[in-house]
Formats: sequence, C-alpha cells, structure tokens
Amino acid sequence: GAVVSQHPSWVICKSGTSVKIECRSLDFQATTMFWYRQFPKQSLMLMATSNEGSKATYEQGVEKDKFLINHASLTLSTLTVTSAHPEDSSFYICSAGDRTYGYTFGSGTRLTVV
Amino acid sequence: GIQVEQSPPDLILQEGANSTLRCNFSDSVNNLQWFHQNPWGQLINLFYIPSGTKQNGRLSATTVATERYSLLYISSSQTTDSGVYFCAVGGFGNEKLTFGTGTRLTIIP
Repeated sequence: GAVVSQHPSWVICKSGTSVKIECRSLDFQATTMFWYRQFPKQSLMLMATSNEGSKATYEQGVEKDKFLINHASLTLSTLTVTSAHPEDSSFYICSAGDRTYGYTFGSGTRLTVV
Repeated sequence: GIQVEQSPPDLILQEGANSTLRCNFSDSVNNLQWFHQNPWGQLINLFYIPSGTKQNGRLSATTVATERYSLLYISSSQTTDSGVYFCAVGGFGNEKLTFGTGTRLTIIP
C-alpha cells in the first residue's frame, strides 16, 4: 500500500512555456500532499502543502503565481510551473501519507528549461 | 522551524563494512523517517521510526526521542547501498517533513 505515482518523470520545455506535473495517490486517499524541490547535491526543500478542496499553503520565498498547485480530488494534486525559466530547472518530488504510517514519495520529475 | 543535521556528510566504505549514520534534530517530533535516495532520484522509505528500534534485514534504526537523535545502521554493506541517506522529521500538529542535510554513502567493491 501507500503508492504515490508522479508524472512525467522528465520534461524539457522552452523558456516562457508552462509545465504541469501530476501526483496521484494510487491506493489511498490523500487530503494533503506535499511538493518538494531538490537542486543537485542538495537536500529536499518543501515548496508547498497541497490541500484537497482548498488553497495550497506555500513556504516562505516560494512564488505562488509561478508554482500553481491544484488539489481537486482526494487522489490527485498538480503542480504547474508557469512561464518557466532556466532557473526553474530542478527535480520536483511530491509526497503523501500520514503521521501514523509515514510519508511516501513519488518518483520525481526532472524539469529542464531551455 | 526544526533544524535537522546529519553526519557524516560523506562516507566511503569497502564492501562488507558496517556503518552508522546519525541524525540530530532541534525540537520534539512525532514523525521521523529514514530514506534512501537512489541514483535516479527515487526516495525509498526505509523506516518510520519516531521512537524505539526497528530492523529490516541488514538495516536497523534507533530513535531516542528524549535526546533528539536517530541512528541508522547498515551492516555488511553492498554496492547497491550507495546513494544519499536522508532523515526527515515532522513536528507536533504539523504534517510536513523537514529534511536533513543527507549523508552520501559510497560503497567500493
């Protein structure tokens, strides 16, 4: 149990375009999902908490207009990187779970903006 | 917010050796997990261990919540154990995880 699927695994896009990343909980319902960002050889930094049916909560310093999060159902959260620029290139990972059983992570999305 | 520090930052060992990775955290937590990040970036959940001791094959973990640290033990290391090991903690009333700085483990044949 507790499988989180993330899609796509990698994406290359042109500067100025938008990219959508999907995160699905396959065998459980997740009222809360989390989006992290990881730069090469660094740790994971929480970007935002995605709440089903309500607005996401963004960490300090994360631009909410650039990183749009939608959590429309109990099994799906999406992260849209709008007007992407090369500095947005990174590894993005989502997670879901609970404090009883712990959190599971998706396989991640490697975004390259050219 | 909670500070999470891991040591050592890098560790290079010969195949077959044992190792101990440490995670210190600055405040009380109700969730602590150890993860292994493989070369493709996938985070593999090793242990959910807010307190006590758990074992899974060659790996075991101990968390002493009152002293705010956790240890991950790897015995008889294999080359497939290479990668980055992260501990992550969550505070009371707060579901999100804060990640430590990571330990990069390299096992040499």
